[in-house]
Amino acid sequence: GESVGLHLPTLSVQEGDNSIINCAYSNSASDYFIWYKQESGKGPQFIIDIRSNMDKRQGQRVTVLLNKTVKHLSLQIAATQPGDSAVYFCAEASLGGTSYGKLTFGQGTILTVHP
Amino acid sequence: NAGVTQTPKFRVLKTGQSMTLLCAQDMNHEYMYWYRQDPGMGLRLIHYSVGEGTTAKGEVPDGYNVSRLKKQNFLLGLESAAPSQTSVYFCASSYTGTAEAFFGQGTRLTVV
Repeated sequence: GESVGLHLPTLSVQEGDNSIINCAYSNSASDYFIWYKQESGKGPQFIIDIRSNMDKRQGQRVTVLLNKTVKHLSLQIAATQPGDSAVYFCAEASLGGTSYGKLTFGQGTILTVHP
Repeated sequence: NAGVTQTPKFRVLKTGQSMTLLCAQDMNHEYMYWYRQDPGMGLRLIHYSVGEGTTAKGEVPDGYNVSRLKKQNFLLGLESAAPSQTSVYFCASSYTGTAEAFFGQGTRLTVV
């Protein structure tokens, strides 16, 4: 069935470096994408989202890029800090159709930031 | 502002027992979700609701039932627990189907 997946299960970076976390999605009907951060023992927290009519959106230290042609989503974190260490999930949803409201998550990438 | 509250936080069940997980949100959100998270895996959608009185199946609905009798509550039931249902369960809510979802802290369920 349709799924959202990640290229890299783990990512280790040095403090201060930029991090890039990738996600591939296969459901062409998805038109809303979200990145979540999950710290150990906690529920996921929203980071940033993007709709399919955009290819880039920036937040505070984070940027999400969407390439609909190759069904690829990425999260860029600038000047990564130890507090950014967590599991990062991409998720997708549809703005319409029978799957409206169905929020589906990918496998997750473990980001480790070394001081 | 409590956000999304899940009860209980931990539970151990014997195979065949039943239980209900409660999710409550105080943000007047229309959409509510139940996910399970297994080690090394992402969150898999069990059931979701797009409004009071409505429910829909997610990716892994078998063995679970849900009810949304009140807008603020979304209940997840296990009628006959199995060891395969050992997992961490997360509830979430959102204002619309394409808006930020807020998650609870999770319920760690062990079925022995």
